[in-house]
Amino acid sequence: TAGITQAPTSQILAAGRSMTLRCTQDMRHNAMYWYRQDLGLGLRLIHYSNTAGTTGKGEVPDGYSVSRANTDDFPLTLASAVPSQTSVYFCASSSTGVDANTGELFFGEGSRLTVL
Amino acid sequence: GQNIDQPTEMTATEGAIVQINCTYQTSGFNGLFWYQQHAGEAPTFLSYNVLDGLEEKGRFSSFLSRSKGYSYLLLKELQMKDSASYLCAAMDSNYQLIWGAGTKLIIKP
Repeated sequence: TAGITQAPTSQILAAGRSMTLRCTQDMRHNAMYWYRQDLGLGLRLIHYSNTAGTTGKGEVPDGYSVSRANTDDFPLTLASAVPSQTSVYFCASSSTGVDANTGELFFGEGSRLTVL
Repeated sequence: GQNIDQPTEMTATEGAIVQINCTYQTSGFNGLFWYQQHAGEAPTFLSYNVLDGLEEKGRFSSFLSRSKGYSYLLLKELQMKDSASYLCAAMDSNYQLIWGAGTKLIIKP
């Protein structure tokens, strides 16, 4: 079982360019999330989606956008990348949404993005 | 504000026991999670506590005291493969996860 697949694994991007990080899950989970992980900080939620067709803002949404056209895919787009967006990005999913407390998240392997 | 505190780094010996502490301050509480993250890999779920007390799962146990805003993860019979970061996360009243920065556990032979 693939679980959650992220692409690309790593990317170097020039400042000002746009980039879409792809995330696909095959577990038929309702909820999906995008986190960024930076050294010395906890995981920070960028955007989330409770179910296909809906999205919500997390703790650090500025500079990022998401869409959830179907259950499986949850791409994250940086419209105009800045160096402060250099980070490791993790996509995650859960069988229930943020309004339920089952809680267990399944994470993708991460996408390491460097913005120069 | 909401906050999670856990030690940055701990060192332990193979075969020994180690306890990783986590204190939390959240607006409401809907559970405390522990995840393991090996370097360069994704976090993986270890445990979830919502009631006070100790939950044992093999070599790993997790404890919660809601009145003290405190949890710990206990790892017994340490193995070299347990070298990883351990992430504590508390769920607030809005079911949002507040994550600690993680505790890097180094296991020495």
